[in-house]
Amino acid sequence: GESVGLHLPTLSVQEGDNSIINCAYSNSASDYFIWYKQESGKGPQFIIDIRSNMDKRQGQRVTVLLNKTVKHLSLQIAATQPGDSAVYFCAENSGGSNYKLTFGKGTLLTVNP
Amino acid sequence: NAGVTQTPKFRVLKTGQSMTLLCAQDMNHEYMYWYRQDPGMGLRLIHYSVGEGTTAKGEVPDGYNVSRLKKQNFLLGLESAAPSQTSVYFCASSYSSSGAGAFDEQFFGPGTRLTVL
Repeated sequence: GESVGLHLPTLSVQEGDNSIINCAYSNSASDYFIWYKQESGKGPQFIIDIRSNMDKRQGQRVTVLLNKTVKHLSLQIAATQPGDSAVYFCAENSGGSNYKLTFGKGTLLTVNP
Repeated sequence: NAGVTQTPKFRVLKTGQSMTLLCAQDMNHEYMYWYRQDPGMGLRLIHYSVGEGTTAKGEVPDGYNVSRLKKQNFLLGLESAAPSQTSVYFCASSYSSSGAGAFDEQFFGPGTRLTVL
């Protein structure tokens, strides 16, 4: 079956730098994408989402970019802080499903003070 | 609002034992889900429900059963636990919409860490 994957399993950045976490998806019928943050011992927490009719969406310190041509999704975190250290998952709505998500394996972001 | 809650938080079982994990949400969400998370892997969908009284299989349903007798609760059962079911289990819920582009974010509980010896 089709699945969501990540280019980098780990990412280490200095505090204050910008972070970019990448994700590749293979199901061209997916039209909803979402990023979750998971801290150790906790459940995933929503960060930001984007629908396929957009190519960019901004939140507070975070930006998601969607490139449907190459089936690529990225999460940009501005001025990364130690509290941003976590595993980040991208997910897609399983080929256009209205309720099922397919998750990638995650990227571990470590922020060094 | 408490959001999505899960009980218990931790459990240790012996092979062959049974147990039920309880998920509750107070957001009046129609959709509920059970996932498992294993080291180095993303979340995998076990079963889900699109409304009270309905359930459906996800990606990895074998060895699990579910029930959604009340809208706010979604139960995950293991009839005969196996070591391969050692995992962290997450419940999630989401609002339902209709039509194209209707997907909404899923809200997750804190997880249940299950060890099967």
